Amino acid sequence: DAGVIQSPRHEVTEMGQEVTLRCKPISGHDYLFWYRQTMMRGLELLIYFNNNVPIDDSGMPEDRFSAKMPNASFSTLKIQPSEPRDSAVYFCASSRHIQGNQPQHFGDGTRLSIL
Amino acid sequence: KQEVTQIPAALSVPEGENLVLNCSFTDSAIYNLQWFRQDPGKGLTSLLLIQSSQREQTSGRLNASLDKSSGRSTLYIAASQPGDSATYLCAVLHAGGTSYGKLTFGQGTILTVHP
Repeated sequence: DAGVIQSPRHEVTEMGQEVTLRCKPISGHDYLFWYRQTMMRGLELLIYFNNNVPIDDSGMPEDRFSAKMPNASFSTLKIQPSEPRDSAVYFCASSRHIQGNQPQHFGDGTRLSIL
Repeated sequence: KQEVTQIPAALSVPEGENLVLNCSFTDSAIYNLQWFRQDPGKGLTSLLLIQSSQREQTSGRLNASLDKSSGRSTLYIAASQPGDSATYLCAVLHAGGTSYGKLTFGQGTILTVHP
């Protein structure tokens, strides 16, 4: 069973450029989560979807960030324009549902560096 | 606002020792508590999940306990091995309010097991 797949694994780009991170959740999982991990703030939830619908985007830092889930097998996180402070590791995770005994399964992350 | 604290921040032990990692949280309105392992440059791997109605879970050499009323969990690792070296994160899944469905993570414990 394939896990959560993220691409690219590494992204280096210059300030002001548009960045698009991609995620393919585990098949059959109804929930998809985007997290950001930094040394200073640890792991933070940015946004999560249920059945392709955004449920809570209160963690999205500002309007430069947007996320979409056009279908059950694909999601994107876009940053436009990018800034050096956006440098972090971005993780996507998925789960069957939220309550009870279902863990979240994480991808290997995208390491983003904005110069 | 939920706060999750992990103690110690780092731990170095010789191979074969039994060890305990601690996690505390401030809001007991949770669905579950999860322990994750993160290897350098990798995503998070779910180790154990304890539902709010449970007291403990075991998997191999790992045992996790949960005392929801006091807001505490421990991860016990028996007979530690160098391959256990990683960062261990605990996270609580919120049961209600504006944080419904969100995981809040601790800052992690960096474990090093030396031969």
